[in-house]
Amino acid sequence: DTAVSQTPKYLVTQMGNDKSIKCEQNLGHDTMYWYKQDSKKFLKIMFSYNNKELIINETVPNRFSPKSPDKAHLNLHINSLELGDSAVYFCASSQRGRAAGELFFGEGSRLTVL
Amino acid sequence: SQELEQSPQSLIVQEGKNLTINCTSSKTLYGLYWYKQKYGEGLIFLMMLQKGGEEKSHEKITAKLDEKKQQSSLHITASQPSHAGIYLCGAAGGADGLTFGKGTHLIIQP
Repeated sequence: DTAVSQTPKYLVTQMGNDKSIKCEQNLGHDTMYWYKQDSKKFLKIMFSYNNKELIINETVPNRFSPKSPDKAHLNLHINSLELGDSAVYFCASSQRGRAAGELFFGEGSRLTVL
Repeated sequence: SQELEQSPQSLIVQEGKNLTINCTSSKTLYGLYWYKQKYGEGLIFLMMLQKGGEEKSHEKITAKLDEKKQQSSLHITASQPSHAGIYLCGAAGGADGLTFGKGTHLIIQP
């Protein structure tokens, strides 16, 4: 069983469209994250979320919004896609406390905006 | 905000040789994490260092956190093709997650 799974793995779309990427973790973790990895492989955190609070990286445009239907899922919605949104998006999860820095990552969703 | 600088940015090493990757923080580290990313895949946790002077090993990979807790090094002994990938150091940062360095691309030549 995959611990953190993301869908779709590849997404190609036109500028201006709205798209979603889904993420599910079966590890029982209480915190989930979205990271963006650009073409130079630089990995930057976008959001972290647990059942109590959402923490947003201030540099993330408000076109991006995480939605969590339950503790095991954190989906990423992107409105009005722009060329610069093309990247690989990684979902991750961890357990708060001592192991908070041990993140389990999904395999990534490669978004290409044309 | 905390920044992590990794060096070198890329490294080509002949199979069997040893290598070292460095990670320097702009602030004191209270937890330093090493991850590996194979090309086209997600990140895999390698190890965590918390105490100044701490050293941990996993198979042929050893990581150290210096006494002042602002620099860490990752050392691979007798490199193998399976070691190829991107190595990233991470530290507790904003948004309650990890801030990562820009990564070191490691290529192992047979």
